[in-house]
This record gives sequence, structure tokens and C-alpha cells, in this order.
Amino acid sequence: EPEVTQTPSHQVTQMGQEVILRCVPISNHLYFYWYRQILGQKVEFLVSFYNNEISEKSEIFDDQFSVERPDGSNFTLKIRSTKLEDSAMYFCASRRFASGKTNTGELFFGEGSRLTVL
Amino acid sequence: QKEVEQDPGPLSVPEGAIVSLNCTYSNSAFQYFMWYRQYSRKGPELLMYTYSSGNKEDGRFTAQVDKSSKYISLFIRDSQPSDSATYLCAMSATGNQFYFGTGTSLTVIP
Repeated sequence: EPEVTQTPSHQVTQMGQEVILRCVPISNHLYFYWYRQILGQKVEFLVSFYNNEISEKSEIFDDQFSVERPDGSNFTLKIRSTKLEDSAMYFCASRRFASGKTNTGELFFGEGSRLTVL
Repeated sequence: QKEVEQDPGPLSVPEGAIVSLNCTYSNSAFQYFMWYRQYSRKGPELLMYTYSSGNKEDGRFTAQVDKSSKYISLFIRDSQPSDSATYLCAMSATGNQFYFGTGTSLTVIP
């Protein structure tokens, strides 16, 4: 069964360092997302990406964050200068179509990349 | 104002019981609703997807959406120990940005 894959599974970094989290969405999906979950808290939306551009972003997604789809398969999240509060599990997600009345809008998540900022 | 409210539990039931999980929301524009199951330190796994109001059944799972009351439910029949997990509701107005509940922790006791 197709799945969203993420690397690394766990990354430890020093405050102020740049981090890149990588995702390979399901191959025929067109919409891509990053969410994060701070330990014990809600899953929070960061950004959505469609047709090689950001379609929506949350207040969390400030200038320290960027996303890129450098080729036909990878989707990356870059954090330019990490802060302690960036420590969280980062989930990549993808969907085939925009949500609709039929079962075509399901959002599939990867296993997550755990980021620890020291 | 919280967009989505979900009782965090924990909820503990005997094997074979019917489980009812619920979320309420404040944004009347929400029209896309999903239920996810999340095991510890894993990604959310999609269980049910519903558009607008109504019921949807898939095996032992039934999802209900009542937009007039801004209330959604997930029922699990004949619950199994393997159903022990955290259940997350998620909803969206546009189908783009989804708002999640805090999750309800469920334990099914053999």
C-alpha cells in the first residue's frame, strides 16, 4: 500500500542550526502538507503546497520556515535557525485531490520526524 | 476560542464494548471531517472521512456528523485490545487546513 515516507526519523540539533526534514509523498498525490505536534499537544497545521507554491500557511510558519519540492518526488521543510520551541514531531501529509464529496480527499500522514533542539 | 474541542479521556472499556468518541466545534464553515487513530510516537492513521452531515459506516466504525449541533462522533463496535490508541478528530472548511482535536486516549481491556 502506498505510503508517505519521512526522513530522518529523529534529529537532534543545536539551537540556531538549520534543519531540513524530508518527505516523499504518495506518488500520484498533488497536495502536500506539513503539520507538527509538540509533545502532549494538538496536531497543528503549518503549511500546504500545491502546484509548486504555498497555498496556505499558519501563523506558526514564519520566515524561519520554508518548503520546497526540489524534484518530482521529494517535499522538504527547512527551519533556518532552530529555536528550543521548535522541538516537536513534524508530520508530512499528502492527498490526491482537494477535498470533495466523495472519498477522494483523504489526507495521509507519514510516520513523522522527531526534532529535538538543544 | 478553541476551534475544536475533544475530551482527552482517558477512556477505558472492556473488550467487546461499544465506544463513543466525540468532538464539538465552533466554526460553522467546517464541512470536511476526519477521524484518525494514532499510536504512541507514530503518525495519524486515517480511519474515516466524511463530507458535510450524515453517517458513514466502515466495518466496526461509524462516523456521524451533525452540522446543526456542530458535533461529530465516532462509534467503535465490538472493541478490541488492538483498538487501544489515541483517536483524533480533524476538520476543515476548505479541505486545506485541518484543525485537530487534542485526541482521546482509549484503552480496551481484554
